[in-house]
Amino acid sequence: DGGITQSPKYLFRKEGQNVTLSCEQNLNHDAMYWYRQDPGQGLRLIYYSQIVNDFQKGDIAEGYSVSREKKESFPLTVTSAQKNPTAFYLCASIRDGIGYGYTFGSGTRLTVV
Amino acid sequence: GIQVEQSPPDLILQEGANSTLRCNFSDSVNNLQWFHQNPWGQLINLFYIPSGTKQNGRLSATTVATERYSLLYISSSQTTDSGVYFCAAENSGGSNYKLTFGKGTLLTVNP
Repeated sequence: DGGITQSPKYLFRKEGQNVTLSCEQNLNHDAMYWYRQDPGQGLRLIYYSQIVNDFQKGDIAEGYSVSREKKESFPLTVTSAQKNPTAFYLCASIRDGIGYGYTFGSGTRLTVV
Repeated sequence: GIQVEQSPPDLILQEGANSTLRCNFSDSVNNLQWFHQNPWGQLINLFYIPSGTKQNGRLSATTVATERYSLLYISSSQTTDSGVYFCAAENSGGSNYKLTFGKGTLLTVNP
């Protein structure tokens, strides 16, 4: 079955560490997105990419970095510059064209210890 | 950017009841979607509905684009309907499917 796989499901980070969250899709979607969700809040856009080797900052990109070397993969690195990284991170993709909705992965819960 | 507001923030129902969730948006849209997030965090797309009405089983949605609101109807609610319902929109000037989410409506359906 096609879908989006995020790993790991839970991740613990020490202060000052960089960590990378994986997002892989086998849906042949061009566009991919990273969102952050804080308790009781909606989702906020971190980065998005519409084609390989190109990506754009979202609303809260500071302290994060991404790459898009393959169509299937869009990893997110949470750097030590992100002051409050504890959150639920969701990856999404969408099929090109009109009338299609997002497909989301199951998320990664990141906690700073 | 576009603002998306949802109401009510919380809703508690008895199984079998009907409900209406509202989403107001501040600008004209070319993309509006409704999502359900289950208690484990998984988000499922319910509707892509920038205008008009759609139905899928016990759920239906209507967007009145000229008045900048959308409604999600849940009929004969079940305990499995519990979770957070999000509305998300992209304004008409956008072309990259970049959605702005509301804060959601937390629905609890009691048996």
